[in-house]
Amino acid sequence: KQEVTQIPAALSVPEGENLVLNCSFTDSAIYNLQWFRQDPGKGLTSLLLIQSSQREQTSGRLNASLDKSSGRSTLYIAASQPGDSATYLCAVRRLGGDDKIIFGKGTRLHILP
Amino acid sequence: DAGVIQSPRHEVTEMGQEVTLRCKPISGHNSLFWYRQTMMRGLELLIYFNNNVPIDDSGMPEDRFSAKMPNASFSTLKIQPSEPRDSAVYFCASSLRRGHGGEQFFGPGTRLTVL
Repeated sequence: KQEVTQIPAALSVPEGENLVLNCSFTDSAIYNLQWFRQDPGKGLTSLLLIQSSQREQTSGRLNASLDKSSGRSTLYIAASQPGDSATYLCAVRRLGGDDKIIFGKGTRLHILP
Repeated sequence: DAGVIQSPRHEVTEMGQEVTLRCKPISGHNSLFWYRQTMMRGLELLIYFNNNVPIDDSGMPEDRFSAKMPNASFSTLKIQPSEPRDSAVYFCASSLRRGHGGEQFFGPGTRLTVL
């Protein structure tokens, strides 16, 4: 059974710093991995999707990497800003034609002005 | 595109009442997902549809929950009778199954409170 873990559950970082959020999964037979952002009281916004054949994806100040063999993904945020404060969730989709994605519980990020 | 649309955004009801949540997926998407989010359990998949057909409902907690997708542009999640433990945020998401790796796009959610 696939399990997705995100550590730490919460993180506070001064504005301007670069930071890394971690995601690990137990079954490396994945189809893709997706990073989401959730603001308080809001829905989820897709940030990046990495296919299993890819090593990383970039969008602006965000860079997501994937190491399937070790069951890990990281989301790198460069030059953090107070507007980056949100909960970040990762989710994996397994191989086999199944459309289900399994979510981690997220990392709640607070950027200190 | 307006994105995934959910209604109502907030629902407060009393225990025992029927609750119906509604979702309109992104036009052209052929997969639709219903999730529930709570502090304790995080995001849980309840059920998903491909081409309007329910594929996996193993996440539906019990017979009080039911979901339908009568056409490609509309789905409902019904709880009857509702109980206080059903209080949560319910999200609908849609994707294009064979495009963009099945990237899922979420609606704003319905915050359900059962008194």
